[in-house]
Amino acid sequence: SQTIHQWPATLVQPVGSPLSLECTVEGTSNPNLYWYRQAAGRGLQLLFYSVGIGQISSEVPQNLSASRPQDRQFILSSKKLLLSDSGFYLCAWSVDSYEQYFGPGTRLTVT
Amino acid sequence: DQQVKQNSPSLSVQEGRISILNCDYTNSMFDYFLWYKKYPAEGPTFLISISSIKDKNEDGRFTVFLNKSAKHLSLHIVPSQPGDSAVYFCAATTPGAGSYQLTFGKGTKLSVIP
Repeated sequence: SQTIHQWPATLVQPVGSPLSLECTVEGTSNPNLYWYRQAAGRGLQLLFYSVGIGQISSEVPQNLSASRPQDRQFILSSKKLLLSDSGFYLCAWSVDSYEQYFGPGTRLTVT
Repeated sequence: DQQVKQNSPSLSVQEGRISILNCDYTNSMFDYFLWYKKYPAEGPTFLISISSIKDKNEDGRFTVFLNKSAKHLSLHIVPSQPGDSAVYFCAATTPGAGSYQLTFGKGTKLSVIP
């Protein structure tokens, strides 16, 4: 069966510090991968998606970037965090279907 | 411009009764709709979906209804149970190759009262 992992589960970072969140998927090959953010009191906002290694599409101009160094690994990064980057970050995967399956999420607080 | 709208931020229902969660959309190109359930501090879990060629899809206690002319869909939960208390997100997607991007509503928080 497929599983998706995200770490860390929670993170508190000062403004201006770098960020690296990692997501890995097991039990499937060539998945589409996604990064979402849920800010307080808001819905799920798609940040990036990837249909293959090295292929990244950005949905929202922002302070963040994404990379996919391996087939089942998706990384979300920032060189300098802003207060507005605080939120709940979710990674998701899909394979040949509309249904996306989400990881447990990372709660990021920028102070 | 919000293309998927869940106009009720919260809903309270007595255990055993029906819960009805509503969702409206503006993009007529949407052709597939999904409902997700989310508990606090967890990722959303897929619940049920419906294609635009259907008007109803049922899975156990959960039924989704789609009214294309009104651009409206609803999720019915019967009977409601305390464990159903969560935030429910409606999502939609358009046809196209590749990534199957989903557009989500802001969610409705359902509270089922024992």
